[in-house]
Amino acid sequence: DAGITQSPRHKVTETGTPVTLRCHQTENHRYMYWYRQDPGHGLRLIHYSYGVKDTDKGEVSDGYSVSRSKTEDFLLTLESATSSQTSVYFCAISGQGLGYEQYFGPGTRLTVT
Amino acid sequence: GIQVEQSPPDLILQEGANSTLRCNFSDSVNNLQWFHQNPWGQLINLFYIPSGTKQNGRLSATTVATERYSLLYISSSQTTDSGVYFCAVDSNYQLIWGAGTKLIIKP
Repeated sequence: DAGITQSPRHKVTETGTPVTLRCHQTENHRYMYWYRQDPGHGLRLIHYSYGVKDTDKGEVSDGYSVSRSKTEDFLLTLESATSSQTSVYFCAISGQGLGYEQYFGPGTRLTVT
Repeated sequence: GIQVEQSPPDLILQEGANSTLRCNFSDSVNNLQWFHQNPWGQLINLFYIPSGTKQNGRLSATTVATERYSLLYISSSQTTDSGVYFCAVDSNYQLIWGAGTKLIIKP
């Protein structure tokens, strides 16, 4: 299994508070991704990174920001959490580029009350 | 944008049965992946299959890129095969996901 961990695994927070989710990889892969999954749906891309300090927006980036200061860590921040951001968040990595084979972390279940 | 449709949406089978899951996509794609999401939520890579046929144990997959579909075959189903099966295609370097097929294998 690809060495991908996410923290925290579960979080409950209140509307309006900032939240940061962490993705850590031990594979030294260049590409990292954040997705969200909502009930009855596949995954939707939030942001992705193609190198240290190199990031770009995905399909559903509004309300989210990311940072990548080291190859192994990719952070997702909700500056002011809203109830619509209640979801399961998955991190993924890829050794090649976007659209190539991706491997997923265990997910973080976030509830915004 | 590209549309990805999976069928059937739900499938209930007895242990030992065979099944075929289908993924249709509306435009040409560079790559296609199949994933299994188990009942605990973990996403597991099954196949990376932009074209052709691959097999891994009881599972196999075929992608016919020119006709814009892919099939996932599961033979001799086991209860551990239960979960949701997703296909995802690469369009403009983003993975676009289908809604999944929920598979329940009864003992």
